[in-house]
Amino acid sequence: NAGVTQTPKFQVLKTGQSMTLQCAQDMNHNSMYWYRQDPGMGLRLIYYSASEGTTDKGEVPNGYNVSRLNKREFSLRLESAAPSQTSVYFCASRQQGWGNQPQHFGDGTRLSIL
Amino acid sequence: SQELEQSPQSLIVQEGKNLTINCTSSKTLYGLYWYKQKYGEGLIFLMMLQKGGEEKSHEKITAKLDEKKQQSSLHITASQPSHAGIYLCGAREGTDSWGKLQFGAGTQVVVTP
Repeated sequence: NAGVTQTPKFQVLKTGQSMTLQCAQDMNHNSMYWYRQDPGMGLRLIYYSASEGTTDKGEVPNGYNVSRLNKREFSLRLESAAPSQTSVYFCASRQQGWGNQPQHFGDGTRLSIL
Repeated sequence: SQELEQSPQSLIVQEGKNLTINCTSSKTLYGLYWYKQKYGEGLIFLMMLQKGGEEKSHEKITAKLDEKKQQSSLHITASQPSHAGIYLCGAREGTDSWGKLQFGAGTQVVVTP
């Protein structure tokens, strides 16, 4: 079972470069999320997509854009990378509907901006 | 927005000993999720609590949500090396929030021989 797959796993960028982080889920989930994880700060929501065709800002959206390409895929783009965006990025998905279904996470992308 | 405070930030426990992690919210919890993260990996879902007074167990891990629904605890009995990692609590932001979660900063658990 693949679950949530993130690519790449590691990436080093120079300040000002652009990059797209890819995320795909095979669980037929409606909702998808992008988080960043920084030391001592837990996970913070960047953007989310409640369903195919919709995206909304989370807690820390500045400097990022997202695309919900289809039900399976949700990408995160850094248009002009900055050192402050050095972090571990996690994608998650969840089945929207009745009940408190948990989010399922990918293994993360470790991104360093020099 | 909802704030979650986890305590302790880290702890070292000898194999075979018990440990408890707390997660305290500034607001009423509508759904409290416990996850475990190993270094370099993603988050693994452990348990979800919703009702005040609810308690769930899986193997040697027990989670509780207090009656007032503003604090949860995670208790591990007779810890093993496999219990090492970072434990995070996540809370739903209200009853209609598209499943968005606010996370605590995490508690790092080290299990020594």
